[in-house]
Amino acid sequence: EVQLVESGGGLVQPGGSLRLSCAASRFTFSNYAMSWVRQAPGKGLEWVSIISGDGSGTQYVDSVKGRFTISRDNSKNTVDLQMHSLRAEDTAVYYCAKGVDSVYPRSRVVDSWGQGTLVTVSS
Amino acid sequence: NFMLTQPHSVSESPGKTVTISCTRSSGSIASNFVQWYQQRPGSSPTTMIYLHNQRPSGVPDRFSGSIDSSSNSASLTVSGLKTEDEADYYCQSYDSTNVVFGGGTKLTVL
Repeated sequence: EVQLVESGGGLVQPGGSLRLSCAASRFTFSNYAMSWVRQAPGKGLEWVSIISGDGSGTQYVDSVKGRFTISRDNSKNTVDLQMHSLRAEDTAVYYCAKGVDSVYPRSRVVDSWGQGTLVTVSS
Repeated sequence: NFMLTQPHSVSESPGKTVTISCTRSSGSIASNFVQWYQQRPGSSPTTMIYLHNQRPSGVPDRFSGSIDSSSNSASLTVSGLKTEDEADYYCQSYDSTNVVFGGGTKLTVL
């Protein structure tokens, strides 16, 4: 069974930075796109970013463009989300999610989720 | 960008059947795959339906997905309701630049 374990969440001040990481196991990591999806407290799911299986393609929701960067290391089976210039509205649980293929369109179909890591942006 | 609209809540009795709708605001519902995710309180989401109507292994066949081009909507149907089905359900689809989730539907089994 696919395993996705997020880490790196915590409390950060507005304008600060944080790096989330997701460790993947039990599947051939480089064959699948990976996404980050977040959920603000008491709210619904919001897609944040996606990276293709080989790391050559990335996309972001408009609200994080220029502030967040997704990357992956296929030798270590990890996918990261570097977050800068954090705002209160970035407060959320961030989930790592596995796509069912490496590239569009099936890369945007999620079949597995991690347990999430909480990011709190507050002074 | 398009939106996916779901009812805020639905409720039904154990053993009955319930259907949750998901309407796409623009573009054809059939042009991009629709997925359905279940999220129980305090837990991460799990995939119940993907590629419009496929069930991952381990998901009971009481859960089914469909699309209706005439109403530009997708539906999740849960039959033989159990109390354990009580959860939030989210539909999801995409286009070439975005991944979109519906606002979620709270299913109450009472």
